[in-house]
Amino acid sequence: DIQMTQSPSSLSASVGDRVTITCRASQAISNYLAWYQQKPGKVPKLLIYAASTLQSGVPSRFSGSGSGTDFTLTISSLQPEDVATYYCQKYKSAPLLDFGGGTKVEIK
Amino acid sequence: DVQLLESGGGLVQPGGSLRLSCAASGFTFSTNGMSWVRQAPGKGLEWVSGISGRDGNTYYADSVKGRFTISRDNSKNTLYLQMNSLRGDDTAVYYCAKCIGAVVAVPFDYWGQGTLVTVSS
Repeated sequence: DIQMTQSPSSLSASVGDRVTITCRASQAISNYLAWYQQKPGKVPKLLIYAASTLQSGVPSRFSGSGSGTDFTLTISSLQPEDVATYYCQKYKSAPLLDFGGGTKVEIK
Repeated sequence: DVQLLESGGGLVQPGGSLRLSCAASGFTFSTNGMSWVRQAPGKGLEWVSGISGRDGNTYYADSVKGRFTISRDNSKNTLYLQMNSLRGDDTAVYYCAKCIGAVVAVPFDYWGQGTLVTVSS
């Protein structure tokens, strides 16, 4: 099975900071990777798919990059409304649509 | 607007059964892949099961294979999850999620609000 490892598990940053979250696959998954945002008490929301394609309506301060085994979600300028837990998900093939463990982002 | 409304959650004893439903609207349900994703209290997301749009192929996580059955009724725009032999570690909020396309191995662009399943004696 392909394992998805996110890092860090949590981070605290100031408003306006550039924030980077990493997701690593144990085997190459091409660009079959998505990122989701889950705000406290809310439903997950799709941010990015195909590693770098921004979902419609998502602010441009969010971006994704990577291919193969190493992927990155970047928030170029952290805003208070970005407080959330972020999950990566591989979808190269069913039934293995596993999520990473999540990264909790807080404001310092 | 796309809407997904789950129902059927509740308290069930270990070894018991429960059937979840997800009523969908606002898109062509019959041609879309659909999935169930769960989240245990204070934990991360876990994909549970998916069913494709066109051919109805089904897929399961190892943790539920043989105990859960996913199905769909395209005439009612409704997705189901039959859960048998429930265990304590099945306790979670269960989300219905719409796949971006007809297949299951794609991201989820809409999620329901979730229904809580609690397995406890």
